[in-house]
Amino acid sequence: AQKVTQAQTEISVVEKEDVTLDCVYETRDTTYYLFWYKQPPSGELVFLIRRNSFDEQNEISGRYSWNFQKSTSSFNFTITASQVVDSAVYFCALSDAIYNTDKLIFGTGTRLQVFP
Amino acid sequence: IAGITQAPTSQILAAGRRMTLRCTQDMRHNAMYWYRQDLGLGLRLIHYSNTAGTTGKGEVPDGYSVSRANTDDFPLTLASAVPSQTSVYFCASRPGQGFNEQFFGPGTRLTVL
Repeated sequence: AQKVTQAQTEISVVEKEDVTLDCVYETRDTTYYLFWYKQPPSGELVFLIRRNSFDEQNEISGRYSWNFQKSTSSFNFTITASQVVDSAVYFCALSDAIYNTDKLIFGTGTRLQVFP
Repeated sequence: IAGITQAPTSQILAAGRRMTLRCTQDMRHNAMYWYRQDLGLGLRLIHYSNTAGTTGKGEVPDGYSVSRANTDDFPLTLASAVPSQTSVYFCASRPGQGFNEQFFGPGTRLTVL
């Protein structure tokens, strides 16, 4: 069965600190996709990144970076020099490709609070 | 371009009443989804539709029904609402075959008393 675990329920940091959000997944598929979404206080879900199971290269986008390691089934998300605007709930998700529906299986989310 | 719209934004509903949450997308995406978000549980899939005319059950389908008469609309119906259906409901869409990200609507906050 597919499963996504975000063990960190809530993280608090002070502005300019670096912070890493952990994501561990389980799947028997050999082909799958991993995602991160951001949910700011306004409530909408914002897509951040997609990574397929064949691409283990780390990705950097501005202050955001992602570390995908198949050996540990992890897809961690790091924010460098955090800002107050980064305060949000972050969800890691896994695509379920068994029946080709591309359903997303979400973790329970990590609430990040960045204090000035 | 509106993307995905959901209506109503929020609703308070008496238990036992019927309610339809509306979802419309203007991106001509083939696949659409309904999720519910509950504190501590993340988002869970209720129903999905890979293309107009087809629907499927997700992780928590009981008490909900959907239809997909055309590409743009994917309404979610609660036939007889119960308090455990109090939640925030998100509609999402995806362009089609392949592993593309899903785009989410703004959500509907539903309270069943």
